Amino acid sequence: SQTIHQWPATLVQPVGSPLSLECTVEGTSNPNLYWYRQAAGRGLQLLFYSVGIGQISSEVPQNLSASRPQDRQFILSSKKLLLSDSGFYLCAWSVSTSTQYFGPGTRLTVL
Amino acid sequence: DQQVKQNSPSLSVQEGRISILNCDYTNSMFDYFLWYKKYPAEGPTFLISISSIKDKNEDGRFTVFLNKSAKHLSLHIVPSQPGDSAVYFCAATRRGSARQLTFGSGTQLTVLP
Repeated sequence: SQTIHQWPATLVQPVGSPLSLECTVEGTSNPNLYWYRQAAGRGLQLLFYSVGIGQISSEVPQNLSASRPQDRQFILSSKKLLLSDSGFYLCAWSVSTSTQYFGPGTRLTVL
Repeated sequence: DQQVKQNSPSLSVQEGRISILNCDYTNSMFDYFLWYKKYPAEGPTFLISISSIKDKNEDGRFTVFLNKSAKHLSLHIVPSQPGDSAVYFCAATRRGSARQLTFGSGTQLTVLP
């Protein structure tokens, strides 16, 4: 069966520091991968998606970037965090269907 | 422009009764709709989906209804249980690269014992 991992589960970072969040999927090949953010009290906003290694599409211009160095690995990064980057970050995957399956999420607090 | 709207931020229902969660959309290109359930500090869990070629899909206690002419869908939970208390998100997607989902803002369902 398929499993999706995200780490770390929680992160507290100072403004201006770099960020790296990692997501890996097991049990499937060539998945579509997605990064979402849920700000406090709001819905899920799609940040990036990828249909293959090295292929990244950005939905919202911002302080973040994404990379897909391997088929089942998706990384969310920032060179300098802003206060507004605080939120709950979710990775998701899908294959061939429209249903996306989400990871456990990372709670990021920027101070 | 909010293409998927959940106009009720919260809903309280007595245990054993029916919960009805509503969702409206504006983009007529959407052809697949999903409902997710989310607990605090966890990722959303897929519940049920419906294609635009159908008007109803049922899975156990969960039924989703789609009214394309009204651009409206609803999730019925019968009977409601305290463990159903969570935030429910509706999402929509259309044909295109990677089938991105557009989410509503969510409805907090509280099932009272």
